[in-house]
Amino acid sequence: GQQVMQIPQYQHVQEGEDFTTYCNSSTTLSNIQWYKQRPGGHPVFLIQLVKSGEVKKQKRLTFQFGEAKKNSSLHITATQTTDVGTYFCAGYSNSGYSTLTFGKGTMLLVSP
Amino acid sequence: KAGVTQTPRYLIKTRGQQVTLSCSPISGHRSVSWYQQTPGQGLQFLFEYFSETQRNKGNFPGRFSGRQFSNSRSEMNVSTLELGDSALYLCASSLGLSNQPQHFGDGTRLSIL
Repeated sequence: GQQVMQIPQYQHVQEGEDFTTYCNSSTTLSNIQWYKQRPGGHPVFLIQLVKSGEVKKQKRLTFQFGEAKKNSSLHITATQTTDVGTYFCAGYSNSGYSTLTFGKGTMLLVSP
Repeated sequence: KAGVTQTPRYLIKTRGQQVTLSCSPISGHRSVSWYQQTPGQGLQFLFEYFSETQRNKGNFPGRFSGRQFSNSRSEMNVSTLELGDSALYLCASSLGLSNQPQHFGDGTRLSIL
């Protein structure tokens, strides 16, 4: 079945440093979604990418979808303590109606 | 617009018992999906219901079952509870069209003693 791998599992940065998490799928995706889960909270939808090579920005967050639609990345510029949480990528496969498969997430800790 | 509501928030059960969890989706959302979240395995898909029919099912044993009512509310049942069933159970709703974002509830934290 479809697998979505995410690295790193964990990253600890100083406030102001940049952060990137990478997502790779075993199959071609029709789209990729990113979610953020704060400690003690539930996943919250951030963004969806659909087109090959698509790049979207949300303030300090930059999301990319690979040309082959099998990988994606989330880059945070100049992290803040409010960025703390676990970031999940999730994708729908390209074959008919499918379920959303989540990566295991990258936990980000930001020290002031 | 009210979000996804899950009840109860916390549950403590013992091995062998059964449990029923409830989820009320966002108004107008016809799809409800259930996920199990554990520290080691991340978010694992259990099943999805759309218009009272199970549309997709994950790789979980038959002890895990669910249903959806005509008002789109959904319940999940786990029978013969095992220690490994301790987890956060998350419900998510969407409009039900393909490739839609999921809107999650706060989850039910289930602990098995």
